[in-house]
Amino acid sequence: QSVLTQPPSVSAAPGQKVTISCSGGISNIGSYSVSWYQQLPTTAPKLLIYDNHKRPSEIPDRFSTSKSGTSATLVITGLQTGDEADYYCATWDTSLGEVVFGGGTKLTVL
Amino acid sequence: QVQLVESGGGVVQPGRSLRLSCGASGYTFSSHAIHWVRQPPGKGLEWVAVIWYDGSNKYYADSVKGRFTISRDNSKNTVYLEMNSLRAEDTAIYYCARDRGPVAGQSFDYWGQGTLVTVSS
Repeated sequence: QSVLTQPPSVSAAPGQKVTISCSGGISNIGSYSVSWYQQLPTTAPKLLIYDNHKRPSEIPDRFSTSKSGTSATLVITGLQTGDEADYYCATWDTSLGEVVFGGGTKLTVL
Repeated sequence: QVQLVESGGGVVQPGRSLRLSCGASGYTFSSHAIHWVRQPPGKGLEWVAVIWYDGSNKYYADSVKGRFTISRDNSKNTVYLEMNSLRAEDTAIYYCARDRGPVAGQSFDYWGQGTLVTVSS
């Protein structure tokens, strides 16, 4: 049972938009910045978003985020088949004294 | 370019020990914290531990506290994870990942390819 709650799966057609939610609490998302990771099949995770909304230079602006209170959302627009992957949110939890990850969301591009 | 390479994984019996290494190159090693993150087969990511840029602070997940020890040798550009009293539930791919900053900032900008640890009799 992950401290951060993500939907197990989402799906959408190529070219469409999809949102992935990450719900936590005051001791984690409510107090610290959130990062997001993409894990393509059989590869290591890759940083998509850090400090709630910042993108590494190589990440296209099709990937964006929002954060409100104790929840964060990843938005992917203009879906491509290459976006099929598992997506994870992460942040620090001050009550646990640990980094916590969401359970992951599998994106299927139909 | 930044590279992280894990080594030391393998098959080990329950209760035994194993030491993983994470060798880094392509950046100023002593300027960044390093984390270990693991992923059991077919499951999600689980954070394991972090060590600050100078080794002065270390934090562990509850699930490994008292059994695992993280350390670093800045002269060798290497971080280690000493794993003792291994259990079946420690079976996972172990990734090392660089923190964007010198202390634990909870975002990891570079990851290694991972090394598989299997705990089985």
